[in-house]
Amino acid sequence: GAVVSQHPSRVICKSGTSVKIECRSLDFQATTMFWYRQFPKKSLMLMATSNEGSKATYEQGVEKDKFLINHASLTLSTLTVTSAHPEDSSFYICSAPNLGTSHYNEQFFGPGTRLTVL
Amino acid sequence: GQQVMQIPQYQHVQEGEDFTTYCNSSTTLSNIQWYKQRPGGHPVFLIQLVKSGEVKKQKRLTFQFGEAKKNSSLHITATQTTDVGTYFCAGSSSNTGKLIFGQGTTLQVKP
Repeated sequence: GAVVSQHPSRVICKSGTSVKIECRSLDFQATTMFWYRQFPKKSLMLMATSNEGSKATYEQGVEKDKFLINHASLTLSTLTVTSAHPEDSSFYICSAPNLGTSHYNEQFFGPGTRLTVL
Repeated sequence: GQQVMQIPQYQHVQEGEDFTTYCNSSTTLSNIQWYKQRPGGHPVFLIQLVKSGEVKKQKRLTFQFGEAKKNSSLHITATQTTDVGTYFCAGSSSNTGKLIFGQGTTLQVKP
């Protein structure tokens, strides 16, 4: 199956700093990637759709100036949490559909990034 | 907006017992997918259902998609300890690939 990586896997930062999370499709190209946020023992909340070469589409209630998304290439999307605060602490997961091998729109998920803001 | 509801939230079973989780969407879906997330892990794709009334089986797992394409279920026969994890349904009502996840059902299996 297709592989999606995320970096870093864990990050601890001070309140007010910015954190960048990378999502890479390792063996396929992804024109679209999705960013989710997951609270402990909760479901995945879709934050935004990252589109290669164009602006991301944000879900209702997600601050686009707070969560900056850049999809600079067909294999890389980044999520930057700007001026992070403790309430931003969460598990952030990206996913990408591998449209090249599956017409079923199966999503391949990265391993996630655990963000802790002190 | 579109909502996907999943019940129950938690289920504890004795090894060998059956298990079922149910998923309901507020809107008609073009397809529904099921994922499994092990503790500390990330969601892993199990299956996708596309057709009205579709039933698919994977060994002890049976997946159903309702006739109205608004509900789905996952049934596990004779659970094993390896079945432990959280099962999510995720619905899509467009061809954009965008998925809306249910709340998940966390399955615990007592050996």
